[in-house]
Amino acid sequence: QKEVEQDPGPLSVPEGAIVSLNCTYSNSAFQYFMWYRQYSRKGPELLMYTYSSGNKEDGRFTAQVDKSSKYISLFIRDSQPSDSATYLCAMSALSVPDNYGQNFVFGPGTRLSVLP
Amino acid sequence: GAGVSQSPSNKVTEKGKDVELRCDPISGHTALYWYRQRLGQGLEFLIYFQGNSAPDKSGLPSDRFSAERTGESVSTLTIQRTQQEDSAVYLCASSLSGGGFGELFFGEGSRLTVL
Repeated sequence: QKEVEQDPGPLSVPEGAIVSLNCTYSNSAFQYFMWYRQYSRKGPELLMYTYSSGNKEDGRFTAQVDKSSKYISLFIRDSQPSDSATYLCAMSALSVPDNYGQNFVFGPGTRLSVLP
Repeated sequence: GAGVSQSPSNKVTEKGKDVELRCDPISGHTALYWYRQRLGQGLEFLIYFQGNSAPDKSGLPSDRFSAERTGESVSTLTIQRTQQEDSAVYLCASSLSGGGFGELFFGEGSRLTVL
């Protein structure tokens, strides 16, 4: 089993739809959860982050963490064609030593297309 | 510049040649990471620098891969005797500090094609 699993898609939705992107993980030590957005031929950029369990909202985006189920979600409301990108979840245990480089564990990404 | 800069953006090389990929991180960022991203796949960790030291090289796939960082700034990833399976996008990211906390700032990547 991979440490972080994510449906690779592609996922196609019509403009205005609600999008749900999800990741599951196996390491219960993860405490810091992130979503990165990667446009085609660009580097990933941080979209949202949350600590521990709960919800966090930022405009049309909501990040949700359920540590008991080891499951995180990103919801996009009123999706726009400009949201078309690959969305990567990432996680960290935080309490690892500073000399450990694999702190951030990334999912494979879900490719999303929002059709006008 | 304000962001992480990588060069070259594209590199096509013949099998067996050596290549050098360069990363200019954000000024003041002590942590620097190299990742590899194959087509349709996630980010594969290669190496982590804290300052000029590389405490974690565990992700380098073979001894053909090496990296260095100087002046707590520029980093170079070198791939010797390139193979076709080395074809991928090589992403560099920097962060204010290591330890798995904070934001990773990525460059746009160097797209390597080995013929």
